[in-house]
Amino acid sequence: AQSVTQPDIHITVSEGASLELRCNYSYGATPYLFWYVQSPGQGLQLLLKYFSGDTLVQGIKGFEAEFKRSQSSFNLRKPSVHWSDAAEYFCAVGASSYKLIFGSGTRLLVRP
Amino acid sequence: DGGITQSPKYLFRKEGQNVTLSCEQNLNHDAMYWYRQDPGQGLRLIYYSQIVNDFQKGDIAEGYSVSREKKESFPLTVTSAQKNPTAFYLCASSPPISGNTIYFGEGSWLTVV
Repeated sequence: AQSVTQPDIHITVSEGASLELRCNYSYGATPYLFWYVQSPGQGLQLLLKYFSGDTLVQGIKGFEAEFKRSQSSFNLRKPSVHWSDAAEYFCAVGASSYKLIFGSGTRLLVRP
Repeated sequence: DGGITQSPKYLFRKEGQNVTLSCEQNLNHDAMYWYRQDPGQGLRLIYYSQIVNDFQKGDIAEGYSVSREKKESFPLTVTSAQKNPTAFYLCASSPPISGNTIYFGEGSWLTVV
């Protein structure tokens, strides 16, 4: 069955520290992969996406993600977290926009 | 500015009433979607529409209805048949050649009182 797992419900990091949010998926083929960010009570904003090519993808706000086929993972990273990065992050996978599967999200808390 | 506008932002409904959430986009996107989000859960697809006058059920369509009479508009009606309608509802759209990227509105909170 197709699925997306974000194993960390909450993550707390100190401002200026590095960040890695995990995303693992189960899918029959190489899917399209996305990371979205959601501030409280707001819609989702696209951070980055992977379709093919270079497995290291750069996104907005200094985020990047690496597709690892052998591990079925698409982890999100940022070298230095800012307080404004506190939000909920969703990984999504799918073969088409009509069939995207979203993970349950990881809430990021940033310590001053 | 181009974007997706959802209204109202907050809506209260009495049990047994139908309510309609509005979604308008001026991005000239062909496809539109409605998702439901519950606390601690990901997004679940309610309905989607690829073109005008056509729409398909998503994973949790029971108790909901939609229409797509215009390209720009995709209203969602939450009927009294929906057992647990209190949730955050997100409208989204995508262009025909997008690499499957979906763009979201700001969401609408529905509370049953």
